[in-house]
Amino acid sequence: NAGVTQTPKFQVLKTGQSMTLQCAQDMNHNSMYWYRQDPGMGLRLIYYSASEGTTDKGEVPNGYNVSRLNKREFSLRLESAAPSQTSVYFCASRRQGELNTGELFFGEGSRLTVL
Amino acid sequence: AQSVTQLDSQVPVFEEAPVELRCNYSSSVSVYLFWYVQYPNQGLQLLLKYLSGSTLVKGINGFEAEFNKSQTSFHLRKPSVHISDTAEYFCAVSGSGSARQLTFGSGTQLTVLP
Repeated sequence: NAGVTQTPKFQVLKTGQSMTLQCAQDMNHNSMYWYRQDPGMGLRLIYYSASEGTTDKGEVPNGYNVSRLNKREFSLRLESAAPSQTSVYFCASRRQGELNTGELFFGEGSRLTVL
Repeated sequence: AQSVTQLDSQVPVFEEAPVELRCNYSSSVSVYLFWYVQYPNQGLQLLLKYLSGSTLVKGINGFEAEFNKSQTSFHLRKPSVHISDTAEYFCAVSGSGSARQLTFGSGTQLTVLP
């Protein structure tokens, strides 16, 4: 079972460059999420998609865009990377309906460094 | 709105000693509660969860947590830790309603010393 798959796992960018983080899940979940993790700050929600075709801002959306390509895939784009976006990014998904307890299923993370 | 407070950012403990990681939450509605563990350079995985029923919940790797509604707490415990338990632990709360957004605490780094 692959679960939630993120690519790339590591990336180094220069300030101003753009890049897209890819995420795919094979659990038929409706909802998908992007978080960033920084030391001492826990996980902060960047964007989420409650279902295919919808996206919403989370706690820290500035500097990011997202695309829910289909039910399986949810990408995160940095149009003009800044050093403040150096972080570890996690994609997650969640069930809907009666089985929805809020529990999230996480990918292994993408470590991004912006120089 | 809901929030989670993990009172200790760092907890060092010697191998085979007991440990308790503290978590308090606030919410105006009934909640589901979770503990996630993150080993170095890995993603988060579910350790245990409280949905309903018995307030003592057992998880993987010998961990357990007790839901205390009157104290709005969900502390994580293990009677005897191993070096391999060194990791960061996150408490999280999910509120009611169709959205059931998960709110995370800031994490507790557990370091088990030989």
